[in-house]
Amino acid sequence: GAVVSQHPSRVICKSGTSVKIECRSLDFQATTMFWYRQFPKQSLMLMATSNEGSKATYEQGVEKDKFLINHASLTLSTLTVTSAHPEDSSFYICSARDPAAYSNQPQHFGDGTRLSIL
Amino acid sequence: EDKVVQSPLSLVVHEGDTVTLNCSYEVTNFRSLLWYKQEKKAPTFLFMLTSSGIEKKSGRLSSILDKKELSSILNITATQTGDSAIYLCAGENQGAQKLVFGQGTRLTINP
Repeated sequence: GAVVSQHPSRVICKSGTSVKIECRSLDFQATTMFWYRQFPKQSLMLMATSNEGSKATYEQGVEKDKFLINHASLTLSTLTVTSAHPEDSSFYICSARDPAAYSNQPQHFGDGTRLSIL
Repeated sequence: EDKVVQSPLSLVVHEGDTVTLNCSYEVTNFRSLLWYKQEKKAPTFLFMLTSSGIEKKSGRLSSILDKKELSSILNITATQTGDSAIYLCAGENQGAQKLVFGQGTRLTINP
């Protein structure tokens, strides 16, 4: 079945550092991937839709200059948290769906990246 | 604005009990309702519901969608401690494929 891989699983770094998170679709080509953020004891909130070969679509309130998204290939999307600060500490999760199985397959999630900014 | 609401937010029961989790949705151009189970990492898929009134089952878990009432339920029978998790409900819209998540129900099964 469809598998989505996310890396790294855990990042701890100093304030001001930029952090890149990768999301890969392992056995299908994903023209669209999604990035979510989850704060402790809260639900998943969609941050942006990553579109292969074009600009990402950001949800209201998400700073596009802060959260840079690049979807340069059909199997890879990256989220870069620029100049991260403690308030950016969160659980970041990506998802994607095999477009060939759109009608009967759900979105699959990566394992998530727990980001801690000191 | 699209919205998904789950209830209860928290539920504590004894092993062997049956539980029912609720989800109501308001999603523009609705396509499907999905249930996920989340333990320590990212959510794992349980059910995807697109048609009203058709129950989907997987072992002790079952779920059904009511498009008239804009709601869904997730049932777990003969609960086990391993069922302890956060259960997330999400509505998906047709075009953008975006998922709108509810707040989740934190289920705790005590031995």
